[in-house]
Amino acid sequence: QKEVEQNSGPLSVPEGAIASLNCTYSDRGSQSFFWYRQYSGKSPELIMFIYSNGDKEDGRFTAQLNKASQYVSLLIRDSQPSDSATYLCAVIGPSGGSYIPTFGRGTSLIVHP
Amino acid sequence: GAVVSQHPSRVICKSGTSVKIECRSLDFQATTMFWYRQFPKQSLMLMATSNEGSKATYEQGVEKDKFLINHASLTLSTLTVTSAHPEDSSFYICSARLASGGSGSQFFGPGTRLTVL
Repeated sequence: QKEVEQNSGPLSVPEGAIASLNCTYSDRGSQSFFWYRQYSGKSPELIMFIYSNGDKEDGRFTAQLNKASQYVSLLIRDSQPSDSATYLCAVIGPSGGSYIPTFGRGTSLIVHP
Repeated sequence: GAVVSQHPSRVICKSGTSVKIECRSLDFQATTMFWYRQFPKQSLMLMATSNEGSKATYEQGVEKDKFLINHASLTLSTLTVTSAHPEDSSFYICSARLASGGSGSQFFGPGTRLTVL
């Protein structure tokens, strides 16, 4: 049973700070890692994906992957109130060739002015 | 990013009726589409994986005779909730994966909010 774990939060940070969201996964064979943002009442939207160890930056967002430790994180620099949402981590592995994504339960982020 | 649409966005129906939800990938081909359900303040629950031209694979606990899935083309998958009951009221979300690879990104539709009276 593949598992993806996230702290449900809420994680509260002041505006302008760095928000750090973490995700651990159980399947060592996992190949692709995704971060989605979900506003209340809306469907998830893809923020970033990462396949290789290390950091990947896109604007204010940085995804960090460490396959040896089986964790992936998302850093949000200069956090804004509009970043307040639930952030979902998703992991895809071969799983017999089916490549079914496994989602974490999400971390609620609150950015207060 | 790739665009996925869902129709309808919201539906209210009487208990016992059937509801059909369409999921379309607008600017890409999707060999695989996923159907999720999300209850308020809960996480996404994968219901089934739909591959174009073949039968859907349902997750444990999801009744395939109640939730009929058809993936007739590379851009369209439909979910029919048959004989809907109030406990089926939920937010149904589809996602589509780019046909280029099994581990590729998947993009979500805007969701369909179903309310069964």
